[in-house]
Amino acid sequence: TQLLEQSPQFLSIQEGENLTVYCNSSSVFSSLQWYRQEPGEGPVLLVTVVTGGEVKKLKRLTFQFGDARKDSSLHITAAQPGDTGLYLCAGVYAGGTSYGKLTFGQGTILTVHP
Amino acid sequence: DADVTQTPRNRITKTGKRIMLECSQTKGHDRMYWYRQDPGLGLRLIYYSFDVKDINKGEISDGYSVSRQAQAKFSLSLESAIPNQTALYFCATSGAWDWNEQFFGPGTRLTVL
Repeated sequence: TQLLEQSPQFLSIQEGENLTVYCNSSSVFSSLQWYRQEPGEGPVLLVTVVTGGEVKKLKRLTFQFGDARKDSSLHITAAQPGDTGLYLCAGVYAGGTSYGKLTFGQGTILTVHP
Repeated sequence: DADVTQTPRNRITKTGKRIMLECSQTKGHDRMYWYRQDPGLGLRLIYYSFDVKDINKGEISDGYSVSRQAQAKFSLSLESAIPNQTALYFCATSGAWDWNEQFFGPGTRLTVL
């Protein structure tokens, strides 16, 4: 079984602070995605990264894909209360047995206090 | 209107009952998925389907079955519900050529007493 380890599981910070969430695996991804989920709703896609070393920015969110395509990080600058939610990483592992399937990390519950 | 809809949104049932969760999509995607979400465990894949004639087991398919009635409809059944199937259930869709990016429904909260 391929495991996708996400850390930390919980983050509680003050408005204006920076934070980083990590997603790691011992296997190579063909692509990796980050989703955000709010209570009572389904996850919503934030970004997809596919190239080793790739960096993508979405306003105050920066996503990085590791050079070896085994890990990724999400960095939020100057967090705001509206960033509160569950953040999930999910990857498609390279290799035929994982075709068309996502493996999700356990999620990070982020709370940003005013 | 939402692209992926799920019914019911909430359901309370008793141990041993049969229950069906339904999913419909208007995105025109061929691929559909059922996931289960439990606290601290992320989303786990129950079943997935790449087209109407294709059904595949995911990592936690025991105790569940599915039916792909049409491209737009994918239902999940619990033949005899048990309390540890209490969870949030999500349906998702994906196109075939977009890195498997998934679009989720709003979820069904199922409680088995």
